[in-house]
Amino acid sequence: DSGVTQTPKHLITATGQRVTLRCSPRSGDLSVYWYQQSLDQGLQFLIQYYNGEERAKGNILERFSAQQFPDLHSELNLSSLELGDSALYFCASSVVGVSSGPSSYNEQFFGPGTRLTVL
Amino acid sequence: GIQVEQSPPDLILQEGANSTLRCNFSDSVNNLQWFHQNPWGQLINLFYIPSGTKQNGRLSATTVATERYSLLYISSSQTTDSGVYFCAVVNFRGGSYIPTFGRGTSLIVHP
Repeated sequence: DSGVTQTPKHLITATGQRVTLRCSPRSGDLSVYWYQQSLDQGLQFLIQYYNGEERAKGNILERFSAQQFPDLHSELNLSSLELGDSALYFCASSVVGVSSGPSSYNEQFFGPGTRLTVL
Repeated sequence: GIQVEQSPPDLILQEGANSTLRCNFSDSVNNLQWFHQNPWGQLINLFYIPSGTKQNGRLSATTVATERYSLLYISSSQTTDSGVYFCAVVNFRGGSYIPTFGRGTSLIVHP
C-alpha cells in the first residue's frame, strides 16, 4: 500500500457525460500528479499540482481539468467524454516534486488507479 | 520531447533465470524511477535512481546518467515477478519538470 488513495475504483459512464476522479496523497506529500494509461498511448502524464498550484502540464486535453484543494487532495474532472477516454487514471504523489536536483523527495508513489469505461 | 526507450519489449523466463532490462533516454534527466506494474494494475516502486547503483534483495539497478541509460537486474526470477516494468524519467522542458514513461518491458516468468 503506497498510502495514496483514489476513488472510485471503477467508473462506467456514457459518451458526453462528465465525471470527477478523486485522489488523496500520502500524508506529508505536497505534490500530486495525474496520469492516463491506455493500451495505445501507454502511461501519459497529464498534470501536476504542488501545494495547490498548477506546476506542470503534460498531454492534458482541454476537456479535462484538475485542481488541488487546501487539504491537498486533488480532483480530475473529465467532461464531454468520448469512447477514447476509456483508460486507467492514476494519481501519484511526492513530498516535493520540484526537481532543483535529484532528491528522494521527488520520488513518486502511485495510487491504485480508477478504471474509467465510457460506453 | 524526451524519448524513453525500453528493451526488450517482451521477455519470457523460466523461474530461477536472471535478466537485464534496459532504459535509454535521449536527454539529460533530473530523476529516474523503475516501477513494476503487477497483473492487477498496481504500480509498485522499485527504485528511485537518478544515478549510481542500488540493490534491494534480488533486484538491483544502475543508472549512468552521463551515458543516458539505466539497467534493472532481476536475479533468480520468481513467478511473482511477472508484470510490466516501467522506467520513468523527469526532465526540464518548457519551463517545467515533466515526467515521461517508457513503454515498458512485459515479463512473464513460468514455473
